[in-house]
Amino acid sequence: DAGVIQSPRHEVTEMGQEVTLRCKPISGHDYLFWYRQTMMRGLELLIYFNNNVPIDDSGMPEDRFSAKMPNASFSTLKIQPSEPRDSAVYFCASSSAGWTQYFGPGTRLLVL
Amino acid sequence: GQQLNQSPQSMFIQEGEDVSMNCTSSSIFNTWLWYKQDPGEGPVLLIALYKAGELTSNGRLTAQFGITRKDSFLNISASIPSDVGIYFCAGQESSNQFYFGTGTSLTVIP
Repeated sequence: DAGVIQSPRHEVTEMGQEVTLRCKPISGHDYLFWYRQTMMRGLELLIYFNNNVPIDDSGMPEDRFSAKMPNASFSTLKIQPSEPRDSAVYFCASSSAGWTQYFGPGTRLLVL
Repeated sequence: GQQLNQSPQSMFIQEGEDVSMNCTSSSIFNTWLWYKQDPGEGPVLLIALYKAGELTSNGRLTAQFGITRKDSFLNISASIPSDVGIYFCAGQESSNQFYFGTGTSLTVIP
């Protein structure tokens, strides 16, 4: 079975540029989560969706961050404009009925 | 937000030794999960616990859901080099949100 798929795996961009991270959850899972991981703050939940609807976005750092889930098999996390402090590993995870979450391999973002 | 205290922060052990780590929370959880993260990869689920007092094993790994529902423990017996990585606990309250611990970095010396 395919796990959670994320793209790109690595992204290097310049400050001010728009960054779009993509996620394909495990088929049949109705919850999707976006996390950010840094050395200083560990794993932080940014936002999660249930049946494509955003449920809790209180972890989104600021208005520069936005996330969408247009259908059950695709979600995006967008940062516009990006800043160096956004450099981190961004993980997408999915679950069925909100239980055990399965993580993707992550996108390593470096903003110069 | 919810605070999960995970300890120890790091461990350096000899191959063959047993390992213990734990996680405590400031409030009651309904579910405890333990994940392992290898360098450059996402966390991978090791064990899930759904009931206070539950003791569950997965090979050389054993985890327990504390009776108070505010803590959980993970033990690894007879460690091997491939056990190296960062281990995270995660707890879930009544909502669908999980809170993650800060991780325990494990180094196994051959």
